[in-house]
Amino acid sequence: AQSVSQHNHHVILSEAASLELGCNYSYGGTVNLFWYVQYPGQHLQLLLKYFSGDPLVKGIKGFEAEFIKSKFSFNLRKPSVQWSDTAEYFCAVNAKDNAGNMLTFGGGTRLMVKP
Amino acid sequence: KAGVTQTPRYLIKTRGQQVTLSCSPISGHRSVSWYQQTPGQGLQFLFEYFSETQRNKGNFPGRFSGRQFSNSRSEMNVSTLELGDSALYLCASSYGTGGSLSGANVLTFGAGSRLTVL
Repeated sequence: AQSVSQHNHHVILSEAASLELGCNYSYGGTVNLFWYVQYPGQHLQLLLKYFSGDPLVKGIKGFEAEFIKSKFSFNLRKPSVQWSDTAEYFCAVNAKDNAGNMLTFGGGTRLMVKP
Repeated sequence: KAGVTQTPRYLIKTRGQQVTLSCSPISGHRSVSWYQQTPGQGLQFLFEYFSETQRNKGNFPGRFSGRQFSNSRSEMNVSTLELGDSALYLCASSYGTGGSLSGANVLTFGAGSRLTVL
């Protein structure tokens, strides 16, 4: 079974600071990787995804993530955060050989951006 | 196009009762998944249905069940409610299913049904 770890539970940054949220997964096979975001009072939204190809993927709102297979990592980055990025961020994994769409989520990272 | 619609949005039940939650997927989507979100356990997979068949089931007791209808709408039921069942129940839909399919199996989530058990 796969598992996902997000080591930073709470992150507080000032506007314009750079962001990197860690995500590590545990699974021996090939995976699809996702970052979802949950803004206050809103539903989960897809930020970006990796299925194959270029390990550096770009998502919405200036976010990007890099898949490093050797480290089983899929860290999320943004060069300059804004107050509107305040949200909870979830990393998720889906095994490619899974017969369905089951996602295993990390515990989430709450980001607060101070204006 | 309309997103994933979940009803009811909020509900309060007492221990021992049962509850049924409904999910209407995005038009054309055939896969519906359910997740439980709690502060302590985070997001946990309950089950997935595709073309009226359960594809996967998470590690939840048999009190949690679900089904999918021919129009892809799905319901989940929790019987004999316990205090620990208080949670946000999220439904997600996608066009396809299966980890080997690129793009077609990206999940779109609904706003959730917040269940409080007293």
